[in-house]
Amino acid sequence: GAVVSQHPSRVICKSGTSVKIECRSLDFQATTMFWYRQFPKQSLMLMATSNEGSKATYEQGVEKDKFLINHASLTLSTLTVTSAHPEDSSFYICSARLAGTQETQYFGPGTRLLVL
Amino acid sequence: ILNVEQSPQSLHVQEGDSTNFTCSFPSSNFYALHWYRWETAKSPEALFVMTLNGDEKKKGRISATLNTKEGYSYLYIKGSQPEDSATYLCASPKYNFNKFYFGSGTKLNVKP
Repeated sequence: GAVVSQHPSRVICKSGTSVKIECRSLDFQATTMFWYRQFPKQSLMLMATSNEGSKATYEQGVEKDKFLINHASLTLSTLTVTSAHPEDSSFYICSARLAGTQETQYFGPGTRLLVL
Repeated sequence: ILNVEQSPQSLHVQEGDSTNFTCSFPSSNFYALHWYRWETAKSPEALFVMTLNGDEKKKGRISATLNTKEGYSYLYIKGSQPEDSATYLCASPKYNFNKFYFGSGTKLNVKP
């Protein structure tokens, strides 16, 4: 149980285009989902917390107009990287927390984004 | 900001060796310490959630201990197998469990 999928696993796009990444909880409901970014040899860094039915909470230094987050249902959150630039190339990974719990986060497998 | 650090950054062992690595975290305002195993191209998998000083948890050949007073946790693998090869992450949450601070991981390679 507690499986989280993420799509796509890998995407290459041209500079200036927008890219949407989906995060789904497959067998449970997630009132809260999290989006992380990881640069090479660094820690997972929280970008934003996505709450179903409300606006996402962004961490300091993360541009909300650049990284649009939508959490329209209890099983789906999307991250859209708008007008992507080469510096946005990174590994993006989502996680979901079981509704009513405050402990373990369940992770998707991540998305590798390369902006040319 | 919580400074969570892991050492070593990478580790190479032979099959059958036992190994251990460290996660250190601020001892003040401690709530929990999570360990994850992350295999290449897969999702990080939760191993342990530890909350009490002196906690010791075990899952098969893997075990973990927690010292909240001095701010560290050890992860032990007994008789390492090639399938244990992965990156092991630790993370500590803030009080509301909405923000987890991750270490940069220990990458373990077990040679057959």
